[in-house]
This record gives sequence, C-alpha cells and structure tokens, in this order.
Amino acid sequence: DTAVSQTPKYLVTQMGNDKSIKCEQNLGHDTMYWYKQDSKKFLKIMFSYNNKELIINETVPNRFSPKSPDKAHLNLHINSLELGDSAVYFCASSQSLAIHYEQYFGPGTRLTVT
Amino acid sequence: GENVEQHPSTLSVQEGDSAVIKCTYSDSASNYFPWYKQELGKRPQLIIDIRSNVGEKKDQRIAVTLNKTAKHFSLHITETQPEDSAVYFCAAVYNQGGKLIFGQGTELSVKP
Repeated sequence: DTAVSQTPKYLVTQMGNDKSIKCEQNLGHDTMYWYKQDSKKFLKIMFSYNNKELIINETVPNRFSPKSPDKAHLNLHINSLELGDSAVYFCASSQSLAIHYEQYFGPGTRLTVT
Repeated sequence: GENVEQHPSTLSVQEGDSAVIKCTYSDSASNYFPWYKQELGKRPQLIIDIRSNVGEKKDQRIAVTLNKTAKHFSLHITETQPEDSAVYFCAAVYNQGGKLIFGQGTELSVKP
C-alpha cells in the first residue's frame, strides 16, 4: 500500500500552459505539505494544510494554487508555467501540526517546462 | 531569518569508515531536528530525529548530537556501507506549523 501517492510522476509541458499535480495520503493524517526540490537538490516548503485549512503559504508566486478537497488530498495547480518552475515537487503528510511528527513524502513529480 | 546551514556539500569515504555531517540553525526557538536520506531518484525518508531536550540519540550505526547553546547538530554514521550512499538533509522546525527548513544537503559516497 502506498502511503503518500502523487500523479503524475513525470510532467513535460510548454511555457504558458496550466497544469495540476494530485496528491493523496491513506495514512489518516491531518496535515499535508507541498515542497519544491530544485536542480541543486534544495528542498523548500511551499504550502501546508491542516484539515483542509491553509497553514503555511511561503513566498510562492500566486500562479501556484493549492487545493485541499478533503484532508486526504492536496492538489497543486500551476498557471502560466515558466521555465523556472522546472523542478521535482514533493507532497508530504504528517499526523498533525505538532512539530515532532515524521513527515512522509510522496514519490515526487518531475515537472519539466520547455 | 529562517536558515539551516549544512556542511560538507559532498563527502566521500571508504567502506567501513565513519561519516560526519554538520548543521547549524538560526532560530533558538527551534526544538525538533530531523535527518532525511534521499537516494537517487527517490523520496526523502526520515532516518533519525532529535528533540531539544536530548543531547544525543543513537539508532544502530546512526547517531545524532545536538548542542542547543551553539545551535549545532550533527549526524554520525559509523561502519559505512555502499548502501549508505545518498543525499542527506538536516532540517529544523520553525514555528508551530510544522514548517521544516532544510539544509542544502550532503551527497555521501561510500566507496567499496
């Protein structure tokens, strides 16, 4: 059973397009996250949601819009894609907002913008 | 500001040797410090963590030490094996929203 899953695994698209990445967790966790990992492997948090409520919204262009239809799902929609958006996007989940709970990462979505 | 510095960026050791990766953090209020291992093309996975009320924690060949006064924490891997080769990330939690700030990563290569 996959704990945190993401679709698609790979996404190749042209500049200016709009795309979505979906994330689902079957761990019963309350909190979900989106991270971006750039070409230098740097991992940076973008958003977090707790029970469908936005908690963390880092300095991310408003072309990025997360949506949490329920606490098991957190999707990421990106408008007007730019070359600099090329990266691996990881979804993660944790039991709650309490700081000491492990964050479980999904397999990642490699986004390539041409 | 929120910052975690990690060194070295690359580390090459012979199988059986020890490896040490060091991190410093900026916010004295941080009180949880996890370490993640990321194999090539895979997801980051937690390997060990430490809370601020503890100075050291061990799990088989892996240990983490924390010096809250100096705002330093380190990962120690003993008797390294080729399967330890991966990128290792330290992290510190900032504020109560579970916000993890990651270090820049250390690419560890264990040569047989």
